[in-house]
Amino acid sequence: EVLLVESGGGLVQPGGSLRLSCATSGFTFTRFWMTWVRQAPGKGLEWLANIKQDGSAKFYADSVKGRFTISRDNAENSVSLQMDSLRVDDTAVYWCTREWLYWGRGSQVIVSS
Amino acid sequence: SYELTQPPSVSVSPGQTATITCSGDQLTEQTGYWYQQKKPGQAPVLILYSNIKRPSGIPERFSGSNSGTTVTLTITGVQAEDEADYYCQSADNTSTWVFGGGTKLTVL
Repeated sequence: EVLLVESGGGLVQPGGSLRLSCATSGFTFTRFWMTWVRQAPGKGLEWLANIKQDGSAKFYADSVKGRFTISRDNAENSVSLQMDSLRVDDTAVYWCTREWLYWGRGSQVIVSS
Repeated sequence: SYELTQPPSVSVSPGQTATITCSGDQLTEQTGYWYQQKKPGQAPVLILYSNIKRPSGIPERFSGSNSGTTVTLTITGVQAEDEADYYCQSADNTSTWVFGGGTKLTVL
């Protein structure tokens, strides 16, 4: 069974940092691109970043470029999202997804003073 | 920046056919994906990819089509359980992605 489990969310002050992790199992991790997506309260889905199978290519949405960093650990079958310089409008549920078919349950991030 | 445009809402009676459109310039070159989200904050479910293909387990009443810069989701014989938000998606180029703004489907 394919499983993706996000962790690392929580409450953080504006300007702070958080690191989200996505632990995966049930498939050959090194075969797939991995992606982060979020949804702010009352808003639609927003693609954030994705990373190639070997980590050699990474792409970001303009809204997070320069603040968020995606990475993966192929030995641990996990993908991470380092979020720096967080803003109030980064408040959202964050998901990792394996090429759109499999998604985790999400991790809530609240940026507030 | 690239945008995908969907109608904010669509209403249909049970048993009728619902159509949701998604327009974007890149849809002439990139294929479209469709998701169903039953509740905000819940993970979306992929219901169509490559414009017309259904993942395993998705009912046949969900179908897709494309023409020019528009892709369309059609739900034939709408059921009460189909009430949800629907999002289209495509690639901007080979490795960046965009979602449409979402369409709330109401089953009357």
